[in-house]
Amino acid sequence: IVMTQSPATLSVSPGERATLSCRASQSISSNLAWYQQKPGQAPRLLIYGASTRATGIPARFSGSGSETEFTLTISSLESEDFAVYYCQQYKNWPPWTFGQGTKVEIK
Amino acid sequence: QVQLVESGGGVVQPGRSLRLSCAASGFTFRSYGMHWVRQAPGKGLDWVAAIWHDGGKTYYADSVKGRFLITRDNSKNTLYLQMNSLRADDTAVYHCARDFHQSWFESWGQGSLVTVSS
Repeated sequence: IVMTQSPATLSVSPGERATLSCRASQSISSNLAWYQQKPGQAPRLLIYGASTRATGIPARFSGSGSETEFTLTISSLESEDFAVYYCQQYKNWPPWTFGQGTKVEIK
Repeated sequence: QVQLVESGGGVVQPGRSLRLSCAASGFTFRSYGMHWVRQAPGKGLDWVAAIWHDGGKTYYADSVKGRFLITRDNSKNTLYLQMNSLRADDTAVYHCARDFHQSWFESWGQGSLVTVSS
């Protein structure tokens, strides 16, 4: 299953909303996770089951969607949220597949 | 807390071998499946291999099948990746990650850089 994220780069001002998209090449139901990765750091799990926040993840992060279209929304960007975000499907494996990532940068 | 620490990376010539290790702590290692995920410089995440909690099942990406071997030693709380016949396009940071029921990757290590170059 091919995962496609858009846009590649998103320029957002602090305090604004960010909306990131992820599309699957075939239906994956709600078998989708989102990760955040900052430079030089390991990825961190944000969302699983398309919409369930992982432990310790702030409420400003929310996930939605099902089948082939998914969205990660950051309601009000804070400085620590500028990072690269990846989606990943776990409906059909192996392989477990990731999108190519969306970089959220400061506008 | 969960801690995963990779080691064993370095510079290696094409065609040679290297073994990565991932030392796990803070959880019952023998109860969890584990994965290796790599990231080429400036690129995205690329799943490499998986092994079930007891080592009974292993899975590989097509790009590494027949060259890489994932194993684990539950008595030492350590995951391994034996990489043979290395190629330039294997150059990447290799992360180990803890599996959640063959689904998402719950916890990740910082990674170990492997550079394949002559």
